[in-house]
Amino acid sequence: GEDVEQSLFLSVREGDSSVINCTYTDSSSTYLYWYKQEPGAGLQLLTYIFSNMDMKQDQRLTVLLNKKDKHLSLRIADTQTGDSAIYFCAESIEGSQGNLIFGKGTKLSVKP
Amino acid sequence: EPEVTQTPSHQVTQMGQEVILRCVPISNHLYFYWYRQILGQKVEFLVSFYNNEISEKSEIFDDQFSVERPDGSNFTLKIRSTKLEDSAMYFCASSPTYQAYGYTFGSGTRLTVV
Repeated sequence: GEDVEQSLFLSVREGDSSVINCTYTDSSSTYLYWYKQEPGAGLQLLTYIFSNMDMKQDQRLTVLLNKKDKHLSLRIADTQTGDSAIYFCAESIEGSQGNLIFGKGTKLSVKP
Repeated sequence: EPEVTQTPSHQVTQMGQEVILRCVPISNHLYFYWYRQILGQKVEFLVSFYNNEISEKSEIFDDQFSVERPDGSNFTLKIRSTKLEDSAMYFCASSPTYQAYGYTFGSGTRLTVV
């Protein structure tokens, strides 16, 4: 079945770049997503990429997609303490009514 | 910015009791979803709802679960007879299209079954 895997923790220093990685198994993914969850809050869509693209940039965020290796990454440039949160990778599958398959989330800790 | 509102934020219920989790989706959205996240586990899809009927559901969404849009604004998830393993954070989401890039999630209801 479909599966999405992420490493659970990442710690960086303020001002450094963060790279959060994700692998997925289903080759019929249509879109891949990055969500952010701050403590006590819901899931906030950060960015998404269509499966026939290999890169998308949005201000400090860069998404790279390697479809051959089924690998997705999120790079956050100039990471700030306010970026500390859990980051979820998710995919939607062709033919599904918009339901998402999530990874377990990567907890990003940014040290001053 | 429009929000998806979920109430209550935390609910404690006894095993075997019925519980109703409430959501107010964004007013012009047409697609509605429930997800849950058991502590330490992945966020899991439960059900999608469109045009007043379930369009897709997961294996988790068994006969104990039901959804309803009773009055055109609320979207509810009912668990008929709660079990300890139903303890989780339940997220509602709504979207103007079936594409998940249109989703807006609520901040969740933490359900604790004791």
